[in-house]
Order: sequence, then structure tokens, then C-alpha cells
Amino acid sequence: DTGVSQDPRHKITKRGQNVTFRCDPISEHNRLYWYRQTLGQGPEFLTYFQNEAQLEKSRLLSDRFSAERPKGSFSTLEIQRTEQGDSAMYLCASSLVLSRNEQFFGPGTRLTVL
Amino acid sequence: QKEVEQNSGPLSVPEGAIASLNCTYSDRGSQSFFWYRQYSGKSPELIMSIYSNGDKEDGRFTAQLNKASQYVSLLIRDSQPSDSATYLCAVNGGRAGAGSYQLTFGKGTKLSVIP
Repeated sequence: DTGVSQDPRHKITKRGQNVTFRCDPISEHNRLYWYRQTLGQGPEFLTYFQNEAQLEKSRLLSDRFSAERPKGSFSTLEIQRTEQGDSAMYLCASSLVLSRNEQFFGPGTRLTVL
Repeated sequence: QKEVEQNSGPLSVPEGAIASLNCTYSDRGSQSFFWYRQYSGKSPELIMSIYSNGDKEDGRFTAQLNKASQYVSLLIRDSQPSDSATYLCAVNGGRAGAGSYQLTFGKGTKLSVIP
């Protein structure tokens, strides 16, 4: 049983650098979501894809953040000009269209911005 | 206005007891409700989903939904030390729009099961 995978699991970067994270959803899951979680908080929605189309994006999401899912399979999340406030766990989840939105999370990428 | 509220805890229960976790939500249009378990340093794991009023049981877990009161709860029977984790309530639909699939999470309740 292959679940959602994310790479890298940990990333340490200096302020101002760009970072890119990858997510591979559960095979056959056509919906893919990105969330961000900081200590003591629940995950916060960032964006969502159905197949290759980005259908929702949080109004809180800075324009330094961009996400793609070019072939409707894996997705990447890029953060440009990182800031210390970007330090968080970045979570990817996937779901099936007919699953009534049951979302399954990957292990996450922990980002630390120095 | 917070959309999903949970008591942050910690909630401590003795081993073998029933743990009761509560969640309220603000948007009456919410349609789908989920409970996730999150161990320290790990990602959330889906344990229950509920969509209609009433109870839904799965093993030692029972989810309860009351849309009129905008309240959802999770009961864990015969609590075990391995149940010690943070439990996140998540809600879908409502203000975000009928076509929205984003989940809105509470901050979570930390449960500690004492051996």
C-alpha cells in the first residue's frame, strides 16, 4: 500500500533563498492538497488541484508561493525569497473524487528558515 | 471568528476509560466532518468521517454529529496509552463554497492516556 510521499522530509534554508517541495499522491487519487502547519495549530489550507487544474488557492497565500501539478500526478510547491515566518510543516494530502473528500496526508516536509 | 473550535487540553484519562473529545463549528452550511489523530512530530492520520446526524462507530471509536447544535464529538472506548496523541477536528463545506474541498481544522485536543 503506497501512501502519499513527500520529498524532502526536512529542509533548512537561509532567509531569501528559494525552496521547492515535491508531493506524490496515492495512485489514482485525482485531488491533491497542500496545507501548512505550525506548532500548536491545525493544518491551514494553501491550495488544491483536481488533476492538473489548480482550483482553489487560499486568499492568505502570499504570491511568493506557487504550486504546480503539470501532468496531474505529482505536485511541487515552491516558496520564493523565504522568510523566517515560512518555517512550518508543509503537508500534502490526496483524495478520490468519489470519496466524499476523505483526505490522506503524507509525512510532511519540515521547513526551517534561518 | 474561529471557524472550528476545540478544547486544547490536555485531556487526561486513565487506561480503559472513555475519552470524549468535542468540536464546535461556526458555519451551518458545513457538510463533511472528520477526525484526525496526530502523534507528536508526525502528520495527521484520518480515523473517522461523518456526514449525517447521529452516531457512527468504527471499532473503539464513535463519532457523533449534531448539525443543529453545530457540534461533533469523538468517543474513544477502552482508551489505551497508544491513543495518546493530538486529535484534530476538520470540517468541509460551508463558507468556503459548495464546490470547495478545503478542510478547516481546529487546533486540536491533546489526549493523554495514563497507564
